[in-house]
Amino acid sequence: AQRVTQPEKLLSVFKGAPVELKCNYSYSGSPELFWYVQYSRQRLQLLLRHISRESIKGFTADLNKGETSFHLKKPFAQEEDSAMYYCALSGITQGGSEKLVFGKGTKLTVNP
Amino acid sequence: NAGVTQTPKFRVLKTGQSMTLLCAQDMNHEYMYWYRQDPGMGLRLIHYSVGEGTTAKGEVPDGYNVSRLKKQNFLLGLESAAPSQTSVYFCASSYSVNTEAFFGQGTRLTVV
Repeated sequence: AQRVTQPEKLLSVFKGAPVELKCNYSYSGSPELFWYVQYSRQRLQLLLRHISRESIKGFTADLNKGETSFHLKKPFAQEEDSAMYYCALSGITQGGSEKLVFGKGTKLTVNP
Repeated sequence: NAGVTQTPKFRVLKTGQSMTLLCAQDMNHEYMYWYRQDPGMGLRLIHYSVGEGTTAKGEVPDGYNVSRLKKQNFLLGLESAAPSQTSVYFCASSYSVNTEAFFGQGTRLTVV
């Protein structure tokens, strides 16, 4: 079964500090991993996906298949990074269905 | 460029009433999803569709039905609303299961 675990519901850091939002997944096949972000009063939007290997707004995420993790990192947090972050996984299940599932989310607060 | 549009944005229902939420996308996407967002529970997949005329159950399908008669529309129905269905509902669409999902603005439903 597809499963995404985000162990931290809340994460609070000070501006300029490094931040890491954890994501672990369970999937039997070759997954596609994503990070989505929801800023206050805005729609959920894609932040980055592992296949693109990009750095978006200073954030990076590396897929570690051995540890089944896809942690999101930023070396210097900014106040505008305060938002709800969701890790997501997509793929084809054993039954042949294709779906996109999300973790429970981590609310990041960056304090001045 | 509308993207993904949900109708209505807000609704209050009495227990036992029925209603339909409409999701419309203008990006010619094959995949469409309905999620519910609850505090501490993240985004949970209700139903999804991988193409016109197809639907499949997600993680929490009970109490909901869906239809995808036209490629651009994905309807979510509540036949007999219950207070446990009070939530924020999000629709999303994507070209394929492994590409970026675009989200609607959400529908806040309260069942009293």
